[in-house]
Amino acid sequence: SQQGEEDPQALSIQEGENATMNCSYKTSINNLQWYRQNSGRGLVHLILIRSNEREKHSGRLRVTLDTSKKSSSLLITASRAADTASYFCATSSYGNKLVFGAGTILRVKS
Amino acid sequence: NAGVMQNPRHLVRRRGQEARLRCSPMKGHSHVYWYRQLPEEGLKFMVYLQKENIIDESGMPKERFSAEFPKEGPSILRIQQVVRGDSAAYFCASSDDEGYGYTFGSGTRLTVV
Repeated sequence: SQQGEEDPQALSIQEGENATMNCSYKTSINNLQWYRQNSGRGLVHLILIRSNEREKHSGRLRVTLDTSKKSSSLLITASRAADTASYFCATSSYGNKLVFGAGTILRVKS
Repeated sequence: NAGVMQNPRHLVRRRGQEARLRCSPMKGHSHVYWYRQLPEEGLKFMVYLQKENIIDESGMPKERFSAEFPKEGPSILRIQQVVRGDSAAYFCASSDDEGYGYTFGSGTRLTVV
């Protein structure tokens, strides 16, 4: 069954704007991770947030986690054309395997 | 540290042939995971292995698919008698014993013709 569900499915913004993507999940988790995938390429790990953390920053990325609502958000500030990619959340509940959502396709127009 | 190495990058097989996908984990990682990604979809977990053991194969199709991670050498995902529906990108990842340091390879794109 699908664990992570991202919304929106697709997002188109102008360069310099902020992009926010959301992820919801169903079961208890150990951690939640965000990945980026450029078209036809592999996945790049962006950030990991543990279940006992509420917010984490890494450069232009800000991730929040609300375990009571079983949701997370990824904010990319001051977006660039190079941020154009698909973004996936993935949850880890037990046994180390990750369960991915269907992803958000972000397009940043220059 | 070369990261997670997958080969081949692209693989074309005719229906009914066998496909063998290889994955060498990062140095120091003994946990390997295989995922499949269909076009326009997210990754779906297939199998989780440690050296010589299958830990979780809940995502593996019951027939034609098998995986191994021998004591020496890379992990192998084997698909027998491939069908067109097996066409997908197959990604391997590895992690340390705590499940962190999760790193993905660049994937093998299998096309069945």
